[in-house]
Amino acid sequence: DAMVIQNPRYQVTQFGKPVTLSCSQTLNHNVMYWYQQKSSQAPKLLFHYYDKDFNNEADTPDNFQSRRPNTSFCFLDIRSPGLGDAAMYLCATSRGGDRNQPQHFGDGTRLSIL
Amino acid sequence: GQNIDQPTEMTATEGAIVQINCTYQTSGFNGLFWYQQHAGEAPTFLSYNVLDGLEEKGRFSSFLSRSKGYSYLLLKELQMKDSASYLCAVINSNYQLIWGAGTKLIIKP
Repeated sequence: DAMVIQNPRYQVTQFGKPVTLSCSQTLNHNVMYWYQQKSSQAPKLLFHYYDKDFNNEADTPDNFQSRRPNTSFCFLDIRSPGLGDAAMYLCATSRGGDRNQPQHFGDGTRLSIL
Repeated sequence: GQNIDQPTEMTATEGAIVQINCTYQTSGFNGLFWYQQHAGEAPTFLSYNVLDGLEEKGRFSSFLSRSKGYSYLLLKELQMKDSASYLCAVINSNYQLIWGAGTKLIIKP
């Protein structure tokens, strides 16, 4: 089945220790998104790629970086995680061209900071 | 500013009908989505409305009134598995997706 896959489902890291979350998709969608979601809150868009074009949200901290080496993969790098970065990180994709297409989400990675 | 308002929590009985409301104020409008999110899981797409009226999909229906900035999600014949959060999201004129915080729906036997 075509899908969005995030690894790992649960990630524990230490305060200040860099961590990378990964996302892959078999939908061949050209738009990929990274969201941060904290408990009982709306998903917060961090950035998205339209093909290779990177779009950073204005309020995304510099601590968060992203890479998209090819259509299928996208990575979220947190350079120096703080306690406030503990959250669920969601990767989503959508088909470009028609910007009203729904976004398809992976199962998320729950990040804990020790 | 742009905001989406939904009730924080609702409770309903198995087998009953529940309506979850969403009001929005955004810079322009290019459509509204409803997503279902079970605890600890990712959102899954339920419906999309861009024209006024009711869209029906099995037990779930979604309604939109653009003039009132209002939508609702109607769930019929509630099942225990429908216990989840329901998120309303609006595409604005810049094609940004503005999310509500979600409505936690609790189903009781």
